[in-house]
Amino acid sequence: GENVEQHPSTLSVQEGDSAVIKCTYSDSASNYFPWYKQELGKRPQLIIDIRSNVGEKKDQRIAVTLNKTAKHFSLHITETQPEDSAVYFCAAGRYSSASKIIFGSGTRLSIRP
Amino acid sequence: NAGVTQTPKFRVLKTGQSMTLLCAQDMNHEYMYWYRQDPGMGLRLIHYSVGEGTTAKGEVPDGYNVSRLKKQNFLLGLESAAPSQTSVYFCASSDQTGGTDTQYFGPGTRLTVL
Repeated sequence: GENVEQHPSTLSVQEGDSAVIKCTYSDSASNYFPWYKQELGKRPQLIIDIRSNVGEKKDQRIAVTLNKTAKHFSLHITETQPEDSAVYFCAAGRYSSASKIIFGSGTRLSIRP
Repeated sequence: NAGVTQTPKFRVLKTGQSMTLLCAQDMNHEYMYWYRQDPGMGLRLIHYSVGEGTTAKGEVPDGYNVSRLKKQNFLLGLESAAPSQTSVYFCASSDQTGGTDTQYFGPGTRLTVL
C-alpha cells in the first residue's frame, strides 16, 4: 500500500544552525504535502504545506522543497531556535481526499543551546 | 471559538470493556477524522467522515466504530477494548473550501487498556 518514509527519526542541531528533514512517498498520485509540528504533550499543528504545482515554498525560517520526479520532499529550518524543538511529521496525500493523507513516522528535533 | 475538543482526556479500561470518545468542533467543518498515535509510528487514520451522516474506514479501522449524527460531533467507539488499543487518540477536522486542506487537531485522549 501507499506509505511515507521519513528520515531521520531523531535530529540534534546547534542553536542557530539549519535542520533538514526528508520524506519520500510511494503514491505517484499524491499532490498535497503538509508538515505538522507537535510539541511535547500537545496536538499536531500545521506549519507549512505545498501543492504539487510548485517546487518550493517558504515561510520565514521554514521552507519545503518538492521533487515530484523522485517522489521526495524536505523541510528546511534555518537559524534554529529552542522553540523549534518538537516532533515534526510529514504527510503526503491527494488534495481533498481524506482517506489518502498518509503521515510519516516523525522526526524528533532537539536544539542544543 | 474552542476549535476541536475531545472528551475524555485520559481513560483506563480493562480488556473487554467498552467506551466512546467524543470529538466536537465549532468551525463548521465538513470533514472529521480519528487517528491513533503510537511511538515511532506517526499518525494512523482509523475512520473519517466527509459530512453529517457519513463515515468511512481509514488505514486501521478494525476494533473501532464511529458515528457522525451531527455535523459538529464525531464519536469513536471501542466495543471490546484490547491492550493493542492502548494509544493516544487524536480527532481532527478540516474544511476543503478556500484552497486549504489544513487539519485542525484536538488535544488528544490517552487511553490505556489493561
